[in-house]
Amino acid sequence: AQTVTQSQPEMSVQEAETVTLSCTYDTSESDYYLFWYKQPPSRQMILVIRQEAYKQQNATENRFSVNFQKAAKSFSLKISDSQLGDAAMYFCAYRSSNFGNEKLTFGTGTRLTIIP
Amino acid sequence: DVKVTQSSRYLVKRTGEKVFLECVQDMDHENMFWYRQDPGLGLRLIYFSYDVKMKEKGDIPEGYSVSREKKERFSLILESASTNQTSMYLCASSLTGTGYETQYFGPGTRLLVL
Repeated sequence: AQTVTQSQPEMSVQEAETVTLSCTYDTSESDYYLFWYKQPPSRQMILVIRQEAYKQQNATENRFSVNFQKAAKSFSLKISDSQLGDAAMYFCAYRSSNFGNEKLTFGTGTRLTIIP
Repeated sequence: DVKVTQSSRYLVKRTGEKVFLECVQDMDHENMFWYRQDPGLGLRLIYFSYDVKMKEKGDIPEGYSVSREKKERFSLILESASTNQTSMYLCASSLTGTGYETQYFGPGTRLLVL
């Protein structure tokens, strides 16, 4: 079974600075998908960014980018120019590429605080 | 715009009560999921359904059951609520087979069992 580990329960960053959230995973599969989700306080969980394992190029979405190291099974999220609205719980998630296997395996989350 | 709604944002129930949590999606998604979210434990899958009347156990199904009579609706049932089922419950839905497709989440129901 796959596992996802987020070793930083809490992180904080000054507004406008850059922060990196860590995620490692364990799998025996060669193809899979990785996701970062954001859960703002009292608001719905939304997708931040996603990566396909067979793509070597790191995904980017505006101020959000990932550092995907397949051999190391590492998938970190970098947030540049941090804004107050980035304050949230961030969850890393894994999904198999097997057709019909729609389940996500989540990490335990990292609570990100933005310091004004 | 995609939408997943849950019947209640907050719910207070007594031990032993039967509890129904409802989830509705308007995206014609085949798959629906129920998760439980607890501090330090992340999201854990309780049950999921990949079609009407179909269900599969997730990682923590004990004490729960589900019902999916219509494609858009997925209900989570606590047959006899216990205090250790106090938690945040999240519903999600997704399409099948696109691989890259994400799950869309509802706002969550915070359940307190006294």
